[in-house]
Amino acid sequence: DAKTTQPPSMDCAEGRAANLPCNHSTISGNEYVYWYRQIHSQGPQYIIHGLKNNETNEMASLIITEDRKSSTLILPHATLRDTAVYYCIAYNYGQNFVFGPGTRLSVLP
Amino acid sequence: EAGVAQSPRYKIIEKRQSVAFWCNPISGHATLYWYQQILGQGPKLLIQFQNNGVVDDSQLPKDRFSAERLKGVDSTLKIQPAKLEDSAVYLCASSDLRKARSGQYFGPGTRLTVT
Repeated sequence: DAKTTQPPSMDCAEGRAANLPCNHSTISGNEYVYWYRQIHSQGPQYIIHGLKNNETNEMASLIITEDRKSSTLILPHATLRDTAVYYCIAYNYGQNFVFGPGTRLSVLP
Repeated sequence: EAGVAQSPRYKIIEKRQSVAFWCNPISGHATLYWYQQILGQGPKLLIQFQNNGVVDDSQLPKDRFSAERLKGVDSTLKIQPAKLEDSAVYLCASSDLRKARSGQYFGPGTRLTVT
């Protein structure tokens, strides 16, 4: 079973920030939080990952709480092309990715 | 760099027939994965290869599914005979575990419909 829980769906207005939450209360100290997204009819695409510190790249920002029990993926200016299923995964070297059902984000015009 | 390639993209077969899927990982990636994704669910790992050896096939239904990666590069996944419940998208992914915290790179998948 997945170690993470996410809301099944969210809506976001185009141009606004999309904040996708993830709970991982049982994550171990050496497990990273990875985020992937899957646009319809495509394979999952890597977005970002982090351990303790907040991370930012050209696609998104990842905010991890100090106790590491939850995190938030932020898409700062959502576009229609960001409509996808977003997966939050707790992962460490040597493990396998375990995908839950993810969050279906709908960006609305 | 070129991504993970898969073929065919779509396949329709009747139950009890056989089918094979092909995957070419990213160049230099020693680790290759096959996932099954049923509609509305996240991908589920079927088998993991490290070079041409199997690392994990605990969730592969071995009575009907088989996979190989003979030369440590390309891989094929076969289903024989297919059942209706095998209808799904079959995803191939690869990674380079030599790189710290390397993620997995996914191909576009093969959508299988069993009628």
